[in-house]
Amino acid sequence: GAGVSQSPRYKVAKRGQDVALRCDPISGHVSLFWYQQALGQGPEFLTYFQNEAQLDKSGLPSDRFFAERPEGSVSTLKIQRTQQEDSAVYLCASSLEFGREGSNTGELFFGEGSRLTVL
Amino acid sequence: GENVEQHLSTLSVQEGDSAVIKCTYSDSASNYFPWYKQELGKGPQLIIDIRSNVGEKKDQRIAVTLNKTAKHFSLHITETQPEDSAVYFCAASTGGGSARQLTFGSGTQLTVLP
Repeated sequence: GAGVSQSPRYKVAKRGQDVALRCDPISGHVSLFWYQQALGQGPEFLTYFQNEAQLDKSGLPSDRFFAERPEGSVSTLKIQRTQQEDSAVYLCASSLEFGREGSNTGELFFGEGSRLTVL
Repeated sequence: GENVEQHLSTLSVQEGDSAVIKCTYSDSASNYFPWYKQELGKGPQLIIDIRSNVGEKKDQRIAVTLNKTAKHFSLHITETQPEDSAVYFCAASTGGGSARQLTFGSGTQLTVLP
């Protein structure tokens, strides 16, 4: 497809379970971002990749959160030992970056998100 | 770090009227201000953005104005239509157009009443 694809769209986990959320960015997009969106709030930055390099993970709330993008394309956000406060929509976004001079390379293209509910 | 405030959580307007949503930011180094629209069950989508070297930008029925001195920027939608109903997020960045270092506001639910 032409857009950012995320799976699963919905995930229900029991407290303490591990979950993995997948993001397939737009082909050719160098930058990939993960955001957490709580109900009624704006997206909050979690982590950022430039190709396969994780350049910023300052937004990850705890060491239970881990993200990877081993081949510079698909990314996985893993949450270990899930807690109720992890319940949120996890948004992935990709960005062209380093595009043609003068182009708007900063636009974020978001997926539809993965809604995680921890019981 | 940057703090972006979106003071109106909800806004209702009659179809055909104008809607204005205002945001304030804290970091005077911020130089890129996009607006995203999020429909129910979808991811946010960029609708317009402005850089700090201009004061206003317009695209058909939508416009954004920036007041750097007061550190606020606003989204203006004219001739509102039912399909404009959505949550609108403002954001600010020091990245000069880069998607990095983007901080979002908490969103404004716009409802256009028929």
